[in-house]
Amino acid sequence: ETGVTQSPTHLIKTRGQQVTLRCSSQSGHNTVSWYQQALGQGPQFIFQYYREEENGRGNFPPRFSGLQFPNYSSELNVNALELDDSALYLCASSLGSSGNTIYFGEGSWLTVV
Amino acid sequence: AQKVTQAQTEISVVEKEDVTLDCVYETRDTTYYLFWYKQPPSGELVFLIRRNSFDEQNEISGRYSWNFQKSTSSFNFTITASQVVDSAVYFCALRKSQGGSEKLVFGKGTKLTVNP
Repeated sequence: ETGVTQSPTHLIKTRGQQVTLRCSSQSGHNTVSWYQQALGQGPQFIFQYYREEENGRGNFPPRFSGLQFPNYSSELNVNALELDDSALYLCASSLGSSGNTIYFGEGSWLTVV
Repeated sequence: AQKVTQAQTEISVVEKEDVTLDCVYETRDTTYYLFWYKQPPSGELVFLIRRNSFDEQNEISGRYSWNFQKSTSSFNFTITASQVVDSAVYFCALRKSQGGSEKLVFGKGTKLTVNP
């Protein structure tokens, strides 16, 4: 039990649609990151939010966007869904400083058909 | 460039065997952090260990042990007397600073199957 909760657990969307995934970070953690994990691969960094600002981004197009709220919870939004967006989306939280442990939620399984 | 290589894609053992999962990393940073995570079929990444680059002491936690060797850029993970519940995908990861953010660079994972 990491204290990081994500919703929904599973969802199916049609190509071209938009999706919002939600994450509640572990209590006291002010940094939230999102990762995409395709089948058979390691997780890939999408972006990170610290105190409501995006402060780092991986190699993902602008249709991947996010928000962090004052209570440090976060959303990942993906517009114009493509079949290749089908993956497990993992939210991770940590307490800002370098080297602190990063804790992950159970993920949201997204299938795009 | 920062990179993590887990050369073993899949390993299958019989219960009670010892098994070592290999991890080799590349980084130009002098200060860095390495992690191991376990991912059962449910999907959640379960934190196992964090090690900073200044601490090369090996660590043991129950049946789990880790061997960190900077000279060979390796951070290997051994499970002693494996159990069926150890079956999962195991990821090694390197924490990278990028601008103001900290991100994990993962290997591709090693799928461990422990058979009864």
